[in-house]
Amino acid sequence: AQRVTQPEKLLSVFKGAPVELKCNYSYSGSPELFWYVQYSRQRLQLLLRHISRESIKGFTADLNKGETSFHLKKPFAQEEDSAMYYCALRGYQKVTFGTGTKLQVIP
Amino acid sequence: GAGVSQSPSNKVTEKGKDVELRCDPISGHTALYWYRQRLGQGLEFLIYFQGNSAPDKSGLPSDRFSAERTGESVSTLTIQRTQQEDSAVYLCASSPGGGLAGAEQFFGPGTRLTVL
Repeated sequence: AQRVTQPEKLLSVFKGAPVELKCNYSYSGSPELFWYVQYSRQRLQLLLRHISRESIKGFTADLNKGETSFHLKKPFAQEEDSAMYYCALRGYQKVTFGTGTKLQVIP
Repeated sequence: GAGVSQSPSNKVTEKGKDVELRCDPISGHTALYWYRQRLGQGLEFLIYFQGNSAPDKSGLPSDRFSAERTGESVSTLTIQRTQQEDSAVYLCASSPGGGLAGAEQFFGPGTRLTVL
C-alpha cells in the first residue's frame, strides 16, 4: 500500500521566516514524489517534482529515502506563498495525495 | 489548447436524487483521475482510468458511485441516491499517460456538489 502523510493541517509563519512543510510517505517500491499547490480560487497545479531537482518560486524539496520524507522548504516566506500545499506519491498505476497543509504567511 | 474542463461547476440536488458529473480531459491525455475534496479536508482518490479501462476503482466509497470513460475522452461520474455526506467538490485530473511524461496531473476547476 502507498500512503502519504502531511502531519500539519495549518502552518502559520511570518513573512521572511523560513518555511518547512512536512511530508512522509510509505511505499515499497521506488517512489516518484511531487508537491502540488492550490492558491485561492485557482486550480490545483504542480509545484515541483523530486526527479527534476528544481527550485520553483524559491521552494525546494529533497527526497530522503532513509527517513521516507519529502519536505518542502523555502528560506524566506512571501505573502503570495499563502496557499494549500499537497504532497503526492506516484506509485504503480496510482497517485496518492496527502491531506494537505494550509500555509498562512503573516505580513 | 484548453485545459481540463468540468461541468456543471455547481450542482445542488435533493437527497435521494441521482447526479452525473462530467469531465473533459486535455486532448491526447490517456490517464484520467477523479478525486473528492470535502470541506476542510484533503484530496480523496476515487477512481483512475487508463484509456477507457479502470485499473483502480478502490477509492469509490460505495456502490452508489460509478464512473465511465468513452475512449480517451470524456468521463462521467455518477452518484445514485445521493446522500448529504456526498456534498463535496469533485475534481477531475488528466495526464499524458505512462512514464515520466505522465507523472504531472492537470486539474479541472471542480464541480461543487451540494446535497440538501
